[in-house]
Amino acid sequence: NAGVTQTPKFRVLKTGQSMTLLCAQDMNHEYMYWYRQDPGMGLRLIHYSVGEGTTAKGEVPDGYNVSRLKKQNFLLGLESAAPSQTSVYFCASSYSRLEPQHFGDGTRLSIL
Amino acid sequence: EDQVTQSPEALRLQEGESSSLNCSYTVSGLRGLFWYRQDPGKGPEFLFTLYSAGEEKEKERLKATLTKKESFLHITAPKPEDSATYLCAVFNTPLVFGKGTRLSVIA
Repeated sequence: NAGVTQTPKFRVLKTGQSMTLLCAQDMNHEYMYWYRQDPGMGLRLIHYSVGEGTTAKGEVPDGYNVSRLKKQNFLLGLESAAPSQTSVYFCASSYSRLEPQHFGDGTRLSIL
Repeated sequence: EDQVTQSPEALRLQEGESSSLNCSYTVSGLRGLFWYRQDPGKGPEFLFTLYSAGEEKEKERLKATLTKKESFLHITAPKPEDSATYLCAVFNTPLVFGKGTRLSVIA
């Protein structure tokens, strides 16, 4: 039982490149979330999903897109990476809005 | 706007020295508050859920309490392995996280 798995764990990009971060959960959770964590800023919600085929914007959605084609997967895309998107990205999932979220171990992304 | 403020930002304790971490919030109609622990290089790990004022939860050396305006995480006789960043989050659509308290316990 792996819980929440994020791929890749580390990545370095050049400004303007694109990439996709993958999140997979094996707990049959309906809700999935993408956060970014920056020093002094805490965890901020980028996008979230309340079920397969649905997505919604969080606090800081600009520059990111997401897709939830399968219940167990939630993808975060950067179409044209910018240095301001250098951060640690966390994926989380939960059974419902009121249930605790379970987090992956993060993707450390640097954009030069 | 919903806000969550944690204090202190950092806390250094000697092993066995008990203390408390604070999480104050301004949320209209609190539905729940979560405490998480985060180790360096890892994702947050769930500790407790508190739903109503007066509620308390305990786990080993940790005890979480909730009032109408704040929550406390009490650490009794801490050990070096309790060193971590402790995060609180209040339920909204979805969660609103505080910035955390970095706890260091020195042997």
